[in-house]
Amino acid sequence: NAGVTQTPKFQVLKTGQSMTLQCAQDMNHEYMSWYRQDPGMGLRLIHYSVGAGITDQGEVPNGYNVSRSTTEDFPLRLLSAAPSQTSVYFCASSYSWVQSSYNEQFFGPGTRLTVL
Amino acid sequence: TQLLEQSPQFLSIQEGENLTVYCNSSSVFSSLQWYRQEPGEGPVLLVTVVTGGEVKKLKRLTFQFGDARKDSSLHITAAQPGDTGLYLCAGAANQGGKLIFGQGTELSVKP
Repeated sequence: NAGVTQTPKFQVLKTGQSMTLQCAQDMNHEYMSWYRQDPGMGLRLIHYSVGAGITDQGEVPNGYNVSRSTTEDFPLRLLSAAPSQTSVYFCASSYSWVQSSYNEQFFGPGTRLTVL
Repeated sequence: TQLLEQSPQFLSIQEGENLTVYCNSSSVFSSLQWYRQEPGEGPVLLVTVVTGGEVKKLKRLTFQFGDARKDSSLHITAAQPGDTGLYLCAGAANQGGKLIFGQGTELSVKP
């Protein structure tokens, strides 16, 4: 199993550009989520999905869109990048989001995004 | 809004010393997790605690969940340079559900 994969690993954008951060998992996990990590702020939840076709907002959803057409894939879209979106982005998945014993988050290696 | 406050934010110690990291909230959590993150990688789960007062040990690491399920601590005995990293606590408010992360504790253990 590859676990959770993310592409690209690094990206530089100009203000106003759009892009999609890719995330895929091969563990048949129902729950997937996107976080951003900024110095001194831990991980903040952007969007999450409890299954194919179902998504919801997290703490900091503004400026980001998601969709979940398959169990495996959960892309994050930046429609018009802003410098405030410079961050490290992590995708994570878990077997369940209901049972505490099974909600271990498996994280991808991250995408380091810089918006100029 | 539920918050998890971690302290200290930074910790630099010598090899062999003991340390404790705290994770506090005014909210009750159904479970609490501790993760460790190394530079350039995603966090990796260390432990999940679900019962108030629960204590779990992982080699030299001891995790405790507060009786009221509002706080947790991570104690490391005889720290080693390999323990260096970012330690994050994360709480689930309801049975499962979204995880709320603390700000993290950056630990540096010098040989």
